[in-house]
Amino acid sequence: AQSVTQLGSHVSVSEGALVLLRCNYSSSVPPYLFWYVQYPNQGLQLLLKYTSAATLVKGINGFEAEFKKSETSFHLTKPSAHMSDAAEYFCAVSDSTGGFKTIFGAGTRLFVKA
Amino acid sequence: NAGVTQTPKFQVLKTGQSMTLQCAQDMNHNSMYWYRQDPGMGLRLIYYSASEGTTDKGEVPNGYNVSRLNKREFSLRLESAAPSQTSVYFCASMAGALTDTQYFGPGTRLTVL
Repeated sequence: AQSVTQLGSHVSVSEGALVLLRCNYSSSVPPYLFWYVQYPNQGLQLLLKYTSAATLVKGINGFEAEFKKSETSFHLTKPSAHMSDAAEYFCAVSDSTGGFKTIFGAGTRLFVKA
Repeated sequence: NAGVTQTPKFQVLKTGQSMTLQCAQDMNHNSMYWYRQDPGMGLRLIYYSASEGTTDKGEVPNGYNVSRLNKREFSLRLESAAPSQTSVYFCASMAGALTDTQYFGPGTRLTVL
């Protein structure tokens, strides 16, 4: 069965600093991986996804993630944090067992300090 | 193109009352989902409908029922609300492939007293 683990329920960075949100996956088949963002009082929206093409995936708002099979990781990064990046971020993997389901991690809340 | 819409946005119920959460999508998606979101627990799948005419239980189906009314609409019913069902509920839809993006509604914040 597939799963994702997000390391750190809360991450705090200063404005302009590097953002690094960690995600590790477990999958017996090649995974399809996603990062979603949730701004306060809103639903989730897609940041980026890995679907077995390029291992470095670029998303919206300057975010990118690198798929590393050897480390079973799909960490999310952004070179320079902006106040508007403050949100909750979810790593997710497609469930290949059927039903077109997506398995979400517990989420990491990003705080950005001025 | 409204995407995924949910009604109501907020609801307060007393223990034992029933209610139905409505969800509709206008993207001609095949698959629809109901999640609940609780602090520190991420999103947990309640029920899903992989295609029109089918529904299946997710991770936390107890206390809920669903109806896939047609391709556009997928409702979630609480027959006898309990305080443990206090949560934020999200509906989502997806075209119907493992590489597809899920599109989420704005959520319903439900409080059961």
